[in-house]
Amino acid sequence: EDQVTQSPEALRLQEGESSSLNCSYTVSGLRGLFWYRQDPGKGPEFLFTLYSAGEEKEKERLKATLTKKESFLHITAPKPEDSATYLCAVQELMDSNYQLIWGAGTKLIIKP
Amino acid sequence: ETGVTQSPTHLIKTRGQQVTLRCSSQSGHNTVSWYQQALGQGPQFIFQYYREEENGRGNFPPRFSGLQFPNYSSELNVNALELDDSALYLCASSLQGQPQHFGDGTRLSIL
Repeated sequence: EDQVTQSPEALRLQEGESSSLNCSYTVSGLRGLFWYRQDPGKGPEFLFTLYSAGEEKEKERLKATLTKKESFLHITAPKPEDSATYLCAVQELMDSNYQLIWGAGTKLIIKP
Repeated sequence: ETGVTQSPTHLIKTRGQQVTLRCSSQSGHNTVSWYQQALGQGPQFIFQYYREEENGRGNFPPRFSGLQFPNYSSELNVNALELDDSALYLCASSLQGQPQHFGDGTRLSIL
């Protein structure tokens, strides 16, 4: 069964304290891995797409990396406004529907 | 560029009733996907429409149905509401195979 597992469930950091979020996946073939940010009461906001192992994408304080089994979202010197739930989702290669299979998310809290 | 908009933002229904949720796609997008998100969970895929045809369905019963219109806006209909249907319903639009962009959802509460 295809699965996406995110860890940790929650992470509290001090402002400026760098860390990483993990997304591990098991699919028969990966078309793409997606990172989204979700603020309370809002829909997910698209951050990155990664397609192949070794690929990296960066945006401000965020950097996403991909291996054959997992992806990391690295947060460098975070600020309180980076507080949100970060969601990971995968698309399976053989799925013509381009359906997204989601993890449960990591709730990130950055304390000033 | 107008993003994805959903209506209503909140809705309260009772068991057994029917509900229709609406979604306006981002301009130029021809694909709409609907998701159900329970509190503290990731979204669960309900179904997808591509050029007005259902293009895939998740593990949801037939009382969940949908439509996509020629302007690529969409509706999600749920019949015979159950307490477990209480959730945030998210609509996402995209070009086929491209990253999906989400609206802020409709919070549905079933009493």
